[in-house]
Amino acid sequence: LAKTTQPISMDSYEGQEVNITCSHNNIATNDYITWYQQFPSQGPRFIIQGYKTKVTNEVASLFIPADRKSSTLSLPRVSLSDTAVYYCLVGRNTPLVFGKGTRLSVIA
Amino acid sequence: NAGVTQTPKFRILKIGQSMTLQCTQDMNHNYMYWYRQDPGMGLKLIYYSVGAGITDKGEVPNGYNVSRSTTEDFPLRLELAAPSQTSVYFCASSYAQGSYEQYFGPGTRLTVT
Repeated sequence: LAKTTQPISMDSYEGQEVNITCSHNNIATNDYITWYQQFPSQGPRFIIQGYKTKVTNEVASLFIPADRKSSTLSLPRVSLSDTAVYYCLVGRNTPLVFGKGTRLSVIA
Repeated sequence: NAGVTQTPKFRILKIGQSMTLQCTQDMNHNYMYWYRQDPGMGLKLIYYSVGAGITDKGEVPNGYNVSRSTTEDFPLRLELAAPSQTSVYFCASSYAQGSYEQYFGPGTRLTVT
């Protein structure tokens, strides 16, 4: 299983763009990169998934460089409600492994 | 669709007691998972199932048992509860494993004293 490394915590002010980078140096050729969001006292929720280049949806963007050894989750203009833990997962056919994630705190 | 439902929401057990955490999904997903999450930590996979009648161990299976007699249900059994099993337990399901989106239940908060 590809191991991921991401910052333990980040702080941001409301209205700013937040970028959370995840390292996955031993990603396999067939692995996808998936990000989940978890609010306090709730189960994780799927945010976005990608294989290469850039993926965008109504919640976030995911940037993946050509070597795929890292990825960056971008949250545009965060609000207080984006305060959560964000998990980066890498894999395809095996059960995904959740690390400790990145705790994002949005400040007013 | 209700998605993934879990019961109970909260439970306090005494050391040595047993209980079953219930999990049901109505999305006709083949894959189901049980995770535990300790305070301030990520999720650890306990057991998972790729279909009715098939289960497999995850990262932390000791002290737990599962069964999968139907596509919808995936109960988690705790035998001889220990304080180390105090945690929040999440059940999840997906169409397939790995890269497919997992849908999580609301969790069961278990305290063993």
